[in-house]
Amino acid sequence: DAGITQSPRHKVTETGTPVTLRCHQTENHRYMYWYRQDPGHGLRLIHYSYGVKDTDKGEVSDGYSVSRSKTEDFLLTLESATSSQTSVYFCAISETGGQGNYGYTFGSGTRLTVV
Amino acid sequence: DAKTTQPPSMDCAEGRAANLPCNHSTISGNEYVYWYRQIHSQGPQYIIHGLKNNETNEMASLIITEDRKSSTLILPHATLRDTAVYYCIPHSSGNTGKLIFGQGTTLQVKP
Repeated sequence: DAGITQSPRHKVTETGTPVTLRCHQTENHRYMYWYRQDPGHGLRLIHYSYGVKDTDKGEVSDGYSVSRSKTEDFLLTLESATSSQTSVYFCAISETGGQGNYGYTFGSGTRLTVV
Repeated sequence: DAKTTQPPSMDCAEGRAANLPCNHSTISGNEYVYWYRQIHSQGPQYIIHGLKNNETNEMASLIITEDRKSSTLILPHATLRDTAVYYCIPHSSGNTGKLIFGQGTTLQVKP
């Protein structure tokens, strides 16, 4: 989607290694979110940010940390990757916290495989 | 957060209207009803939202019952590209913007 980029798009990593996923936006939106999507579970919120250096936990935050040192970047770190963290990760941005005519804008996703 | 109930799957013939129902009987007064869809392997896409009145945009129409306990998303002329999972999500600004996704309805548009 225009204005939001996730990197990398695909990654294979080994169990126990740290991994960082990046979400970059050019929309200057205040809110940013990380979701994971697994078969049978739908989209689940991991962490979110409501401003620079302002972050909070979502439903499934264990094993993940985030950082937002500037408006445009929201980093998701798997401190020590496990096979249960194999998933597709989506970043989303919102100007108004999901309200308004455009709601959230989602990135294209990062497919992470932990072996 | 209000709970939602959507049928797991639905079929629709190409060119016909697709009517996707959602039950949200526990919705609170300040929660809007948002609809998103997710086409295979892509990120979810915003479709439409409403509070009490029916809404229409270039993608769809949203009909909300008077008691706000249910709503229907209408795709007036479904195409094969509308095949996706459709999510109905009650949401209010007091939630720090957290959208909570349920299981949604898988809509299959058939030729």
